[in-house]
Amino acid sequence: GAVVSQHPSRVICKSGTSVKIECRSLDFQATTMFWYRQFPKQSLMLMATSNEGSKATYEQGVEKDKFLINHASLTLSTLTVTSAHPEDSSFYICSASRPSGAPGTQYFGPGTRLLVL
Amino acid sequence: AQRVTQPEKLLSVFKGAPVELKCNYSYSGSPELFWYVQYSRQRLQLLLRHISRESIKGFTADLNKGETSFHLKKPFAQEEDSAMYYCALSGAGGYNKLIFGAGTRLAVHP
Repeated sequence: GAVVSQHPSRVICKSGTSVKIECRSLDFQATTMFWYRQFPKQSLMLMATSNEGSKATYEQGVEKDKFLINHASLTLSTLTVTSAHPEDSSFYICSASRPSGAPGTQYFGPGTRLLVL
Repeated sequence: AQRVTQPEKLLSVFKGAPVELKCNYSYSGSPELFWYVQYSRQRLQLLLRHISRESIKGFTADLNKGETSFHLKKPFAQEEDSAMYYCALSGAGGYNKLIFGAGTRLAVHP
């Protein structure tokens, strides 16, 4: 159990367009989901924490108007990269925690590779 | 400031050799420490938590508050241990958010 999926797995878009990435918890309800960004050969950088039914909490330096997060249900969170530019190209990973789960235990999605031309 | 430091980008050993992946942290309160692992072409997954004090796949890690360290150890490395290992800290901020170290790639050679 505790499977998290992401869609799409990879996306290529033109500069200036918006891209939506979905993160779903398939077999459990996730009250909290997290969005990370990973540059090549670097660690995961937490972008924001998403809670169902409330506004996301963004980490310092992350533009909330640039990276729109919506957590409309207990199994779905979306990240929209608005007006994407080449510097937004990266690997975006989501994770989810279970309400009854051990603190700090997160279940990760497979990631979405975004390439902005 | 909260910080997790993994000083080694790559650790290369032969099969059967002992392994120690270093992790140091900076945190003012009582942290919870974790090791996450990412095998080739797989997603990140939890390996172990310091709270549970368990051994997973032969790996152990002891939290040393005096040295602010949480090194990951295994007495005899196996080829299937080759992966990317991330040390992570959960503390302030609520919602159990994690702060990750840069990661260490473990390569176990036959």
